[in-house]
Amino acid sequence: EAGVAQSPRYKIIEKRQSVAFWCNPISGHATLYWYQQILGQGPKLLIQFQNNGVVDDSQLPKDRFSAERLKGVDSTLKIQPAKLEDSAVYLCASTSKGVGRGELFFGEGSRLTVL
Amino acid sequence: AQSVSQHNHHVILSEAASLELGCNYSYGGTVNLFWYVQYPGQHLQLLLKYFSGDPLVKGIKGFEAEFIKSKFSFNLRKPSVQWSDTAEYFCAVEGTGGSYIPTFGRGTSLIVHP
Repeated sequence: EAGVAQSPRYKIIEKRQSVAFWCNPISGHATLYWYQQILGQGPKLLIQFQNNGVVDDSQLPKDRFSAERLKGVDSTLKIQPAKLEDSAVYLCASTSKGVGRGELFFGEGSRLTVL
Repeated sequence: AQSVSQHNHHVILSEAASLELGCNYSYGGTVNLFWYVQYPGQHLQLLLKYFSGDPLVKGIKGFEAEFIKSKFSFNLRKPSVQWSDTAEYFCAVEGTGGSYIPTFGRGTSLIVHP
C-alpha cells in the first residue's frame, strides 16, 4: 500500500514570497490533516478535511494560509506571504476511519525555510 | 480545548535500561490516546493506541502504555531499550466530545547508547 505522498520535500524562500505544498493521501482515506511542526515542538493542527469539506480550521492563520482539497483526494496548502516564523515542517496525514478513532498515517513532510 | 504535556524532553539511556516517558493530558471528557514514534529520517508512525477497555495496551517493538484515568496520564514504558529505539516519541490525545482533533505533545527525544 502506497503511503502519504508530499512534495516538495524541501523549500527555501524569502519572506513575503509564496509557497505551496501538495499532499496525496492513502487511497480511500476520507480524512486529511495538515500539521505544522516547528523545530523542538510537536505537530500543531492547521486544518482537518473530511472528504472535500473542512472539519476544523480554527488554528489556520487565514490571513496568510489557505488550504483546499478538491474532489476529496489531493490537498494543497498555500502560504502567501510567508513570514520568518513560518519556517517549519508541514506534515500531511490521513486516516480511513473518518473523524475520530483512527490511526493517522503521515507523509515525510515538507520542510520550509523562510529567509 | 485539550492539551498534552510531555515532561521529559530529552532522555539518554544505555542499552538494556528501562524506559518510562511521561504523558499527561487535559480534557474534560472521554479521550482516545496515542503514542507515535519518529525514527531518524523517517515519518511519524503509530506505536500504540488506547480507545477503551484494558488500560494497559501493548504496541510494536515491546512498548506498552498504561492509561490512568484518575491521573490523566498515558505513560509509555519499555523494560529494556535497544539502540534502534533511538527516536522522537510523541504522545497524542483526541477528545471524543467534539471534532476529534488529534493534539500532540512536544515530544521526547530518546537517545540509546550501545
